[in-house]
Amino acid sequence: DTAVSQTPKYLVTQMGNDKSIKCEQNLGHDTMYWYKQDSKKFLKIMFSYNNKELIINETVPNRFSPKSPDKAHLNLHINSLELGDSAVYFCASSQASENTEAFFGQGTRLTVV
Amino acid sequence: AQSVAQPEDQVNVAEGNPLTVKCTYSVSGNPYLFWYVQYPNRGLQFLLKYITGDNLVKGSYGFEAEFNKSQTSFHLKKPSALVSDSALYFCAVRARGYSTLTFGKGTMLLVSP
Repeated sequence: DTAVSQTPKYLVTQMGNDKSIKCEQNLGHDTMYWYKQDSKKFLKIMFSYNNKELIINETVPNRFSPKSPDKAHLNLHINSLELGDSAVYFCASSQASENTEAFFGQGTRLTVV
Repeated sequence: AQSVAQPEDQVNVAEGNPLTVKCTYSVSGNPYLFWYVQYPNRGLQFLLKYITGDNLVKGSYGFEAEFNKSQTSFHLKKPSALVSDSALYFCAVRARGYSTLTFGKGTMLLVSP
């Protein structure tokens, strides 16, 4: 049973396209996140949702729009893709308590050509 | 504000030898500290965390970490390295009252046979 699952695992698309990445967790967690890992493996938080409400929105272009239809799902939609958006995107979830660890999905490798 | 420094890009150790992966942090107040491991083309896996209490924390796969408040450090250790420990290791911090984890840049651990 996969705890945090993302689809697709790989995504290759052309500049200017719009794409979505889906994320689902079956852990019963209240909080979900999107992280971006760049080519140097640096991890940066993009968004944090708690019970379907946006908590954190770091300095991310507004071409990126998260959507949480329920607390088990947090999807990431990206408009007008740019070359610099190429990265690995990780979804994660945790309990709301700040001393709990996050559980990560396997990542989505996005390549914009 | 919160930040994490992992001063080593790479640590090389021979199988059977002890290993240490260094991490220092900066937060206001007392921190929650975490270690994660990332194997190639995989998501991050939680290893261990420090919340409060005993400064020596034991985690998965024989890893442990020592919290040192005076040196603001949380180094990851293992008494005897295995080739299968070769992976990318991330230290992370969350200040109390802060919503998200901040990750270090990662340290690649290479264990040679």
